[in-house]
Amino acid sequence: DGGITQSPKYLFRKEGQNVTLSCEQNLNHDAMYWYRQDPGQGLRLIYYSQIVNDFQKGDIAEGYSVSREKKESFPLTVTSAQKNPTAFYLCASSQDLATYEQYFGPGTRLTVT
Amino acid sequence: AQSVAQPEDQVNVAEGNPLTVKCTYSVSGNPYLFWYVQYPNRGLQFLLKYITGDNLVKGSYGFEAEFNKSQTSFHLKKPSALVSDSALYFCAVRDAGNTGKLIFGQGTTLQVKP
Repeated sequence: DGGITQSPKYLFRKEGQNVTLSCEQNLNHDAMYWYRQDPGQGLRLIYYSQIVNDFQKGDIAEGYSVSREKKESFPLTVTSAQKNPTAFYLCASSQDLATYEQYFGPGTRLTVT
Repeated sequence: AQSVAQPEDQVNVAEGNPLTVKCTYSVSGNPYLFWYVQYPNRGLQFLLKYITGDNLVKGSYGFEAEFNKSQTSFHLKKPSALVSDSALYFCAVRDAGNTGKLIFGQGTTLQVKP
């Protein structure tokens, strides 16, 4: 899983609560990404960030928010507006948007009941 | 719209036999193609990529993939499967826009039996 850490590995929350997932990288990568993984659906992009203090919506950004205050950190907040938040969340980074490989963290499994 | 298809949900192969995991793609322009592997409750690990050049790409753990432009395919192969190769495999294509986004297939579970 390289130099990307995600915490916690498992997270449980009650419906209606916001929750923040941590993603930290020590690879000195400029670009960072958040994906959501559901069984049988592959990975879908939630948000991405090219540089500090800049981020863009991906394909399924509704109900999520992010910040990029530091190069090494890209936390994801799952808000109460997200209708189906239970999923496996993966953070990734790459040297920049033009660099082709993305490196993934170990993931956080979020369960909302 | 760009897309990736992995037509098989699961591939079963006996240990020591060759394996193939299929992937087809649809892109505008030149495709940048990737294979990743995921073990249970883990992140994705990069296996190999095709950007340009030789159609046969070699990657980690003895895997290789063959790029076929006329058939728009990028099948993953290994000459001799190991039980430890059992995992979920994803094919991906880089989005043509300037996002760096990867578009993933649905994944194929590879089961290697002893």
